Amino acid sequence: GQQLNQSPQSMFIQEGEDVSMNCTSSSIFNTWLWYKQDPGEGPVLLIALYKAGELTSNGRLTAQFGITRKDSFLNISASIPSDVGIYFCAGQPDSGGGADGLTFGKGTHLIIQP
Amino acid sequence: DAGITQSPRYKITETGRQVTLMCHQTWSHSYMFWYRQDLGHGLRLIYYSAAADITDKGEVPDGYVVSRSKTENFPLTLESATRSQTSVYFCASSESSDSANTGELFFGEGSRLTVL
Repeated sequence: GQQLNQSPQSMFIQEGEDVSMNCTSSSIFNTWLWYKQDPGEGPVLLIALYKAGELTSNGRLTAQFGITRKDSFLNISASIPSDVGIYFCAGQPDSGGGADGLTFGKGTHLIIQP
Repeated sequence: DAGITQSPRYKITETGRQVTLMCHQTWSHSYMFWYRQDLGHGLRLIYYSAAADITDKGEVPDGYVVSRSKTENFPLTLESATRSQTSVYFCASSESSDSANTGELFFGEGSRLTVL
């Protein structure tokens, strides 16, 4: 199947700092999504991107669909303790993507140090 | 609004036993999915269903059986559990084919299964 490379694998930051993470693929994607998983919970959709170059915000979160259609970025501004969790990128590939085509990255663990 | 619920949340079983994980959604979503989450692998699709009585294999279906006799329920059965099936299992749903094809899913809270 498709492979998504998500980085960094983990981040240790101070409260108030900005956060950046990204996801890359060797092939083209039609849709990019960012999910967040709180400890002990299921993933929750944060942002969905449908068009190359699209920039979408959800509160302090901003995500971009890369121009090449092979990458996506998520930024979190002014981090707060409740931002702790695992952030997953996911994408629907251009070729043959149906309901079973969604591919997930391995996640970025965000840890906020007091 | 209950949304999507999974049971049990935690289960310990022994190798060779049959285990069924339940998933129930109250939204009347057409699509339902089962994923497993393992360290180093992220989320991998086991089976999915587009509607009642329609199921299809995902990336890692071996050792699992699903059924969908009613729209709201999508149980996952491990017919003879193995240690490699120790994992956290997530059920998810999506409203329509459009949202399913774009990856817009609602996940349950997960079922943590340990096979001894």
